[in-house]
Amino acid sequence: AQSVTQLGSHVSVSEGALVLLRCNYSSSVPPYLFWYVQYPNQGLQLLLKYTSAATLVKGINGFEAEFKKSETSFHLTKPSAHMSDAAEYFCAVTKSGGSYIPTFGRGTSLIVHP
Amino acid sequence: DVKVTQSSRYLVKRTGEKVFLECVQDMDHENMFWYRQDPGLGLRLIYFSYDVKMKEKGDIPEGYSVSREKKERFSLILESASTNQTSMYLCASMPGGSGMANYGYTFGSGTRLTVV
Repeated sequence: AQSVTQLGSHVSVSEGALVLLRCNYSSSVPPYLFWYVQYPNQGLQLLLKYTSAATLVKGINGFEAEFKKSETSFHLTKPSAHMSDAAEYFCAVTKSGGSYIPTFGRGTSLIVHP
Repeated sequence: DVKVTQSSRYLVKRTGEKVFLECVQDMDHENMFWYRQDPGLGLRLIYFSYDVKMKEKGDIPEGYSVSREKKERFSLILESASTNQTSMYLCASMPGGSGMANYGYTFGSGTRLTVV
């Protein structure tokens, strides 16, 4: 079975600081990995995804994530936080040849201070 | 711009009422999903459908049913609403085909249901 762990239910940064949201997965076969963002009182929006091409994936709004097989990680980063980045972020995993229903992490709330 | 549209953003219903949550997608997607989202519990899958008139139970189907009479519409039904069904409900869709595992979801904006 696959699983996703997001370390830290809340992450707080200052505006302009580096954003790092952690995601570790477990999967018996090569995974597909996703990051979604949820702004207050809205649905989730796909931010970026890893599908076994480049290990460094660039997404919308300046976010990127790097797939590291040796660390079973897919951490989300952004060099400089903006107030508008305040949201809930979810990591999710599916696996090639397996169920297409993703397993979601519990989410990390990003708080951005002025 | 492709869309998944949920008919209500906020809904207040009384205990025991039959409640219908509607979801429509304009992307011709085969797969549609209903999740509920609760603080600390993340997203939990209620039901999904991979084709018209087809449905599969998710992780928490008790107290819910679904209907998919047309490809673009997937309805979630609370047969007799209870206070523990107060939650944010999210609809999502995804294309079919051999590469489904790497497509990702398109979500609707959510319906915040309060049962009093």
